[in-house]
Amino acid sequence: NAGVTQTPKFQVLKTGQSMTLQCAQDMNHEYMSWYRQDPGMGLRLIHYSVGAGITDQGEVPNGYNVSRSTTEDFPLRLLSAAPSQTSVYFCASSDRYEQYFGPGTRLTVT
Amino acid sequence: AQSVTQLGSHVSVSEGALVLLRCNYSSSVPPYLFWYVQYPNQGLQLLLKYTTGATLVKGINGFEAEFKKSETSFHLTKPSAHMSDAAEYFCAVSDKNSGYALNFGKGTSLLVTP
Repeated sequence: NAGVTQTPKFQVLKTGQSMTLQCAQDMNHEYMSWYRQDPGMGLRLIHYSVGAGITDQGEVPNGYNVSRSTTEDFPLRLLSAAPSQTSVYFCASSDRYEQYFGPGTRLTVT
Repeated sequence: AQSVTQLGSHVSVSEGALVLLRCNYSSSVPPYLFWYVQYPNQGLQLLLKYTTGATLVKGINGFEAEFKKSETSFHLTKPSAHMSDAAEYFCAVSDKNSGYALNFGKGTSLLVTP
């Protein structure tokens, strides 16, 4: 049972590049979500999903895109990276009562 | 919409003293409430949670929190601080209306002095 996995662990992008952060869970959870963590800001919700085919925006969705074609996977796409998207990104899956976090992706945009 | 306010971005206590980290929330429906701890360069670790039932919840490492609906609070306490408690602490709320995704407070950095 791997839990929640995220790839890559580290990534450096140039401004304007696009990329996809991968997130997968093997616990058959309906609920998944993406957060970014920045110093002094805590963790902020980017997008979340309540099941395959159903997604919604969180607090800071601009510049990010998501889709949920399967229960297991919830990728986060950066459409055109900006320095303001330099952050640590966490994916989580939930059984309603508890969130299970992935190890995070540290993204730097130069 | 739900929100979380953590009072005090930095809290300093002496080793052996009471730890009190404050958290107030707002939610239009019954909330689920959480406290997480994060050590430097590490991920989040769940300390405790309130979903339903007993309003005083006990967590790991001697921490506990009490859900007070009338005060919309969920303060975290520990009777006696250890040096190893020094970390960042986050309060979070979730509910059905937001797909049980978490809304976090900005965090409180706990410093424990000898």
